[in-house]
Order: sequence, then C-alpha cells, then structure tokens
Amino acid sequence: DGGITQSPKYLFRKEGQNVTLSCEQNLNHDAMYWYRQDPGQGLRLIYYSQIVNDFQKGDIAEGYSVSREKKESFPLTVTSAQKNPTAFYLCASKGSNQPQHFGDGTRLSIL
Amino acid sequence: GEDVEQSLFLSVREGDSSVINCTYTDSSSTYLYWYKQEPGAGLQLLTYIFSNMDMKQDQRLTVLLNKKDKHLSLRIADTQTGDSAIYFCAESIENTDKLIFGTGTRLQVFP
Repeated sequence: DGGITQSPKYLFRKEGQNVTLSCEQNLNHDAMYWYRQDPGQGLRLIYYSQIVNDFQKGDIAEGYSVSREKKESFPLTVTSAQKNPTAFYLCASKGSNQPQHFGDGTRLSIL
Repeated sequence: GEDVEQSLFLSVREGDSSVINCTYTDSSSTYLYWYKQEPGAGLQLLTYIFSNMDMKQDQRLTVLLNKKDKHLSLRIADTQTGDSAIYFCAESIENTDKLIFGTGTRLQVFP
C-alpha cells in the first residue's frame, strides 16, 4: 500500500528535551517536506529536501533539524531551542511533475 | 513576497453549492491547488489547475482561475455533510517545488 507514514500520531515533549518525528514514504518520491500547522493558520514550511543527502531551510527552520540519509525517510527533530513547539506537524512528498501528497500528521504537545 | 488569502469560514445548507475563494500574489505560479483537511488528519489533494487554464471540472468540483485578478475559486455542487472540512488553497512557486498555503476556509454544512 503506497503512501506516506508519519509516526507517532501523538507526541509529548518535556521542557529541554529533543524529540524526533518520523516520516517514511514508499512512493519513490525525490522531494520531501515538513510543515507546521497552528490553529487558524495555514501551513508553514520548516525544511525541505529535493534529493537524498541535501536539504534546505524553509520559512521557520529555527529550532528544528532534519536529515535525509535515505530517499524514503525524512525525520524532523524538534530541539529544545524551539520555544513554542506545540503544533500539528505534517510531512509531504512529491514526485517529478506531481503534486505534493501528505501524511496524516503528528500532534506534538508540551508536558 | 508571496501571499495567499482565503476567508476563514463558510456555512452552507446541505444540497446547496459552496464556493470557496482564494487570492494569490505570485503571477508566475505554475499550478494552483485545492486541498481538504478533515479534523486531526493530513491534507488530501482535491484538485489542481495549471496556470494557463481557466476552468477545470472534476465530478462535483469546479475550479475557476482568473489570472488577471489572481483569483481562484472552488465550487462544490450538491454539498454534503461529508464535505465539512477545512479547504486550503496553495500556489506553487516558479522553478521550485515549494507551495505557499492560504490560511484555510472552514466549510460547515448543515442539514
């Protein structure tokens, strides 16, 4: 079953802790994206990667880090430097000349 | 910079048509997209239109594009309660794979 899998669905972070959100796709897409969604706002781009071993900052990259060691995987780490991490995080992937397709999201909350 | 604007709410009676509007600023956008988001879920691609088209119809959905006014609309015919969701308009940025999203329009369908 082809698609984008985000895990976990819900995640809780303690103060000063780093957490990593998983995003895996089996669509053979080259490009992958991380977005943050806050209530009443549109999606804001955190990081994106157009090819393995390469990624670029989006509009709100501060306090986040990513890696792209494999085509299928694009994990996002929310570091302790991100002072307001509570949000809904969405991962997307995109093939050549295709629209972006999204996973089901991870909701991150602060304990 | 690029900006995409949508009204926040729309309420319609079941069986009526819904029209969700969007304005964008980047005249070089290649594609414009409509995504649907149900509560707690990711974004589902509904339809998209190439910038050199005026209209696209797909079953109950009709997309109209006015390039001169940079205005995009999504019409849902015979709106059903299952259409209740948030609808996002997004524009692609020329020569990149990035999307700029609107704030989303919450559509509420009442019996």
